[in-house]
Amino acid sequence: GAGVSQSPSNKVTEKGKDVELRCDPISGHTALYWYRQSLGQGLEFLIYFQGNSAPDKSGLPSDRFSAERTGGSVSTLTIQRTQQEDSAVYLCASSFRPGWSTGELFFGEGSRLTVL
Amino acid sequence: GESVGLHLPTLSVQEGDNSIINCAYSNSASDYFIWYKQESGKGPQFIIDIRSNMDKRQGQRVTVLLNKTVKHLSLQIAATQPGDSAVYFCAEKGGYQKVTFGTGTKLQVIP
Repeated sequence: GAGVSQSPSNKVTEKGKDVELRCDPISGHTALYWYRQSLGQGLEFLIYFQGNSAPDKSGLPSDRFSAERTGGSVSTLTIQRTQQEDSAVYLCASSFRPGWSTGELFFGEGSRLTVL
Repeated sequence: GESVGLHLPTLSVQEGDNSIINCAYSNSASDYFIWYKQESGKGPQFIIDIRSNMDKRQGQRVTVLLNKTVKHLSLQIAATQPGDSAVYFCAEKGGYQKVTFGTGTKLQVIP
């Protein structure tokens, strides 16, 4: 498809398990973001990849959270030893302009994570 | 740290009326200010943006106003329709930095 693709769309896991969330950005987009959105809340920034620059990891809430982006395309967000407070929708977005850009992001539909 | 916030969490308007959604920002170094619309169960969608050297920009039925003196941003929707019901987020971006989002305003359109 032409849009940002995220998988899985829904994930239910038990407390303490590890989860991986995947994001396929729009082809050619060099900037990729991960945000977290709790129910009825705003978008909490997690991490930002921009081209070949070092990622901005300033939003990752703890060392249980990590993300990588392979080959400048697909990104995986990993949450280790999940906790109930990790339950949220994880949104990925990409942008076609490297570096200096207007802030127009293209979002996926999100991955809803439920930790029991 | 720097933040972007909204005055009203929920706004109810009659169909056909104009809507005004407000946002306060604190990062005077931001270059772009953006409005996003998020419908239930979907990711946010870009509506319109404005560069920091402008004070007004118009789109289709939407107008964004920027007042840098008081660090205020607003989104005006003309002739609000039921399809406009959603959560609206303001956001800001400075240069090579990340896009930062505000807390959002829920717009409810009354038929």
